[in-house]
Amino acid sequence: SAVISQKPSRDICQRGTSLTIQCQVDSQVTMMFWYRQQPGQSLTLIATANQGSEATYESGFVIDKFPISRPNLTFSTLTVSNMSPEDSSIYLCSAAGAITEAFFGQGTRLTVV
Amino acid sequence: GESVGLHLPTLSVQEGDNSIINCAYSNSASDYFIWYKQESGKGPQFIIDIRSNMDKRQGQRVTVLLNKTVKHLSLQIAATQPGDSAVYFCAENSGGSNYKLTFGKGTLLTVNP
Repeated sequence: SAVISQKPSRDICQRGTSLTIQCQVDSQVTMMFWYRQQPGQSLTLIATANQGSEATYESGFVIDKFPISRPNLTFSTLTVSNMSPEDSSIYLCSAAGAITEAFFGQGTRLTVV
Repeated sequence: GESVGLHLPTLSVQEGDNSIINCAYSNSASDYFIWYKQESGKGPQFIIDIRSNMDKRQGQRVTVLLNKTVKHLSLQIAATQPGDSAVYFCAENSGGSNYKLTFGKGTLLTVNP
């Protein structure tokens, strides 16, 4: 499977600010996704990052709060906007290809104070 | 809505024993299932997958069983080792090849030496 690099690996941010998380895959993949994992809980899909077009968001997630870019097949960013303590979570990038299973990055651990 | 759930949130076993982690799913349209292992501070790691046209698949020390009649998935780990201690998630793809996954709640496996 390919390797996904996410950065930053962790951050502590002030409420009201925004953080952009980067995801880089070391090979071309068809699909890229962003998940959220709140402390002690399972993963919830935020959106599918579409190359060259607007992301597809899941119920409960909106573009204004979580803008996503995917300028090419190997790179995507997720921004967490106007953060509040409730946004404290692990954010995970995932990628999949036509013949490869969905694999994950190490995640970005975000704490909002 | 559709969901994936687990029977047991925690499982404690002795080193060398076999472990069985169970998962129930409710979406009969799901055609692809994956088990992930997540160690503390890391992203989910792919263990094994199975498609709906199969009822059993084996890997190295792991076996996944799929019972579509009762919508049940299990992960069997043979000769469990301390390094197997982690949270295990089942995930389902409810149709299509887009690898958009719905995750179960997770089971914490603790292996006692």
